[in-house]
Amino acid sequence: QSALTQPASVSGSPGQSISISCTGTSSGVGSYNLVSWYQRHPGRAPKLMIYEVTKRPSGVSNRFSGSKSGNTASLTISGLQAEDEADYYCSSYVNAATVVFGGGTKLTVL
Amino acid sequence: EVQLVQSGAEVKKPGESLKISCKGSGYYFTTYWIAWVRQMPGKGLEWMGIIFPGDSDTRYSPSFQGQVTISADKSINTAYVQWSSLKASDTALYYCARTLGNVNSDAFDIWGQGTKVTVSS
Repeated sequence: QSALTQPASVSGSPGQSISISCTGTSSGVGSYNLVSWYQRHPGRAPKLMIYEVTKRPSGVSNRFSGSKSGNTASLTISGLQAEDEADYYCSSYVNAATVVFGGGTKLTVL
Repeated sequence: EVQLVQSGAEVKKPGESLKISCKGSGYYFTTYWIAWVRQMPGKGLEWMGIIFPGDSDTRYSPSFQGQVTISADKSINTAYVQWSSLKASDTALYYCARTLGNVNSDAFDIWGQGTKVTVSS
């Protein structure tokens, strides 16, 4: 299964909003509302930030939001904070109980 | 506290076998799917496969089918991934993660701390 396509890096200043895209295929992202986003700080395990395209797990800030249009999902972080600097990965259910991840996006808070 | 605790780092030689573990606690281990995820040095995350500890129903990524074996022992709340003959390319950080939903879910809400596997002659 091909990995999902994410930009290698994005950046923004504190207080700004940024979006990270995640492009898949019509048989994956485009077919199911099963897209998740993970935050990963260096040396730490990934943390689930968004699931089922738009849902936030308990305890995740409402500054994080997800959306999807066609074969592309997006993660938006509003009111950027220094602590948001991390790697972000998207994932999607594809088919036959298979999941693919994106290549990851490094977020730099300037 | 809900947690997954993985076994420690391993250093192995090519051709050797290995089994790493992931022990769950703080929840009903047999009722959640457990996934295994690989991260090779400098690379992104790769989904390897998934197991339901309740009945050991297992699914594999096509990329990992035949390369690893995923198993579970529900009596001790532990999932495993094993290799019969390691290769240098198996050098990676391996995570186990609890699936939030059913077998078709890509949402992993609890992660182990990761097990670093180094394969070198």
